[in-house]
Amino acid sequence: GDSVTQMEGPVTLSEEAFLTINCTYTATGYPSLFWYVQYPGEGLQLLLKATKADDKGSNKGFEATYRKETTSFHLEKGSVQVSDSAVYFCALRDAAGNKLTFGGGTRVLVKP
Amino acid sequence: DTGVSQNPRHKITKRGQNVTFRCDPISEHNRLYWYRQTLGQGPEFLTYFQNEAQLEKSRLLSDRFSAERPKGSFSTLEIQRTEQGDSAMYLCASSLSGQGRSETQYFGPGTRLLVL
Repeated sequence: GDSVTQMEGPVTLSEEAFLTINCTYTATGYPSLFWYVQYPGEGLQLLLKATKADDKGSNKGFEATYRKETTSFHLEKGSVQVSDSAVYFCALRDAAGNKLTFGGGTRVLVKP
Repeated sequence: DTGVSQNPRHKITKRGQNVTFRCDPISEHNRLYWYRQTLGQGPEFLTYFQNEAQLEKSRLLSDRFSAERPKGSFSTLEIQRTEQGDSAMYLCASSLSGQGRSETQYFGPGTRLLVL
């Protein structure tokens, strides 16, 4: 079945540091890929998405590129802020367009 | 557009009791999903509806779980004879499915269940 693997946290960074969270997936067909973010005390929010190979999703300074050859969708941000402290989830939606399969989440803590 | 809402936000119950959660999707969204998230893990798919039809159920959804979406709008998730292992956050999401639609799933705040 489909699966998503992302790096375990917590990841602790200083403000303005570069952030990378690795995400790889296993799926049949051509899934769509997503990053969701969960801020403390809040629900899951869509951060960015990509629906086909080589697409780049971007939002709020975050970027991720759909790499079919390496089955990866790594999340990056060039300069993090304290407000980026959250749990980040990588997810895929199967080719049939139905359920999401999530990774285990990566907690990011940005210190001033 | 008020987003996906879920009630209650928190529920504490004793083992063996029945509980029911409600989800109100974004208006006009034809798909509604239920997920379960345990502490430190990512959400896991339970079931989804297209309008009032329940189209897929995960093997995680035991016989004690039942979900309905009677009029294709709000949905309820009932857990009968709760067990301590049912303690989790239950998430609802909705999306608009169809040709040319983005089908992005938007999540509610969740209902946190604690079974004592």
